Amino acid sequence: KAGVTQTPRYLIKTRGQQVTLSCSPISGHRSVSWYQQTPGQGLQFLFEYFSETQRNKGNFPGRFSGRQFSNSRSEMNVSTLELGDSALYLCASSSPGLAGSNEQFFGPGTRLTVL
Amino acid sequence: QQPVQSPQAVILREGEDAVINCSSSKALYSVHWYRQKHGEAPVFLMILLKGGEQKGHEKISASFNEKKQQSSLYLTASQLSYSGTYFCGTDNSGGSNYKLTFGKGTLLTVNP
Repeated sequence: KAGVTQTPRYLIKTRGQQVTLSCSPISGHRSVSWYQQTPGQGLQFLFEYFSETQRNKGNFPGRFSGRQFSNSRSEMNVSTLELGDSALYLCASSSPGLAGSNEQFFGPGTRLTVL
Repeated sequence: QQPVQSPQAVILREGEDAVINCSSSKALYSVHWYRQKHGEAPVFLMILLKGGEQKGHEKISASFNEKKQQSSLYLTASQLSYSGTYFCGTDNSGGSNYKLTFGKGTLLTVNP
């Protein structure tokens, strides 16, 4: 089985711009979670989608949004970028069922740099 | 609430043992353990569920004390490949309202 893929792998943007990141989960996985990873804060939960519905959301401003398509692929969007948004964005997929009881498979991440 | 991991960092020689702890201020439904090597994605190690069920790799062991809201990861006879940052993720709600809150990580370095 192919693993979780994320595109692009690296991105450089300037303040005020917006960005869209993409995540393709492992075939058959319907749950996709997004995380922001920074040296200071570690891994922070952004949101989780299951069957095109957002089931849970972390404590991030409304500039961070996401969606999931019928093929389980997911995108996250960050509008009006700030310097503090520079981070590694990871997505993770898991198999159907109670997501809390299944292992998550992480993608390689998208490294976003905001100048 | 972010779980608290201890220690923040530990240095071992090959063959030595280590214990990494994860503590939550809220009741836990499940605890997940992941290891991340520098420049790589986190990799699943183990899940411990309320009620005693565990899922994970055979060579990894962990405990889950529901009353104390704590989990510990036991690394025995460490190998160089064990080096990396270990994260615990906690789920306080369970069910469809699931979300994982990760600790800040424990950096483990295994030297020859």
